Amino acid sequence: DTEVTQTPKHLVMGMTNKKSLKCEQHMGHRAMYWYKQKAKKPPELMFVYSYEKLSINESVPSRFSPECPNSSLLNLHLHALQPEDSALYLCASSQVSGNTEAFFGQGTRLTVV
Amino acid sequence: ILNVEQSPQSLHVQEGDSTNFTCSFPSSNFYALHWYRWETAKSPEALFVMTLNGDEKKKGRISATLNTKEGYSYLYIKGSQPEDSATYLCASDPYNNNDMRFGAGTRLTVKP
Repeated sequence: DTEVTQTPKHLVMGMTNKKSLKCEQHMGHRAMYWYKQKAKKPPELMFVYSYEKLSINESVPSRFSPECPNSSLLNLHLHALQPEDSALYLCASSQVSGNTEAFFGQGTRLTVV
Repeated sequence: ILNVEQSPQSLHVQEGDSTNFTCSFPSSNFYALHWYRWETAKSPEALFVMTLNGDEKKKGRISATLNTKEGYSYLYIKGSQPEDSATYLCASDPYNNNDMRFGAGTRLTVKP
């Protein structure tokens, strides 16, 4: 199984809502990532978990809160988002060593209204 | 170069043409360079991970070269097919800590 599963595929939320994005993999990967991508821009690294510990946090606003409850799951909790946070959110996983390929989910298309 | 840059931004070729695009990355710190293919409505899919200066990797009609001293990688597609139409992304991991930074991609369209 070389799949990274992200749910939901689409999400529309109001600025006062709380929602969560979920990501799951069963490849035994111990590095998991959240990226944000806006149209015609590079995927922008948000967070990296390595062995279930947050190893990289790219100064992301606190309205985004990541969580890695176990080695297969990665969540992104969303609260009080702004319309400019509307984007495609991609999850990926890989071996912890940087010279191996990462596997990506299809992303969650988030719209904040 | 502070960021990962890719050129051209987009490319339109005829079926059967061979094509190539460029990824530039900071050469001051380098651990690995990744190439991904991203088709519309699908997940990005890994093509190559390259770590050695002068390395060349090949997968079918697609190949890539790496120059870590000058900070660039080329991706080549020989005899492009319509199914090669996708966005090709490169990413640099400078420190072997999974800090993978992407370029904006080259969007390739192959016309039958």
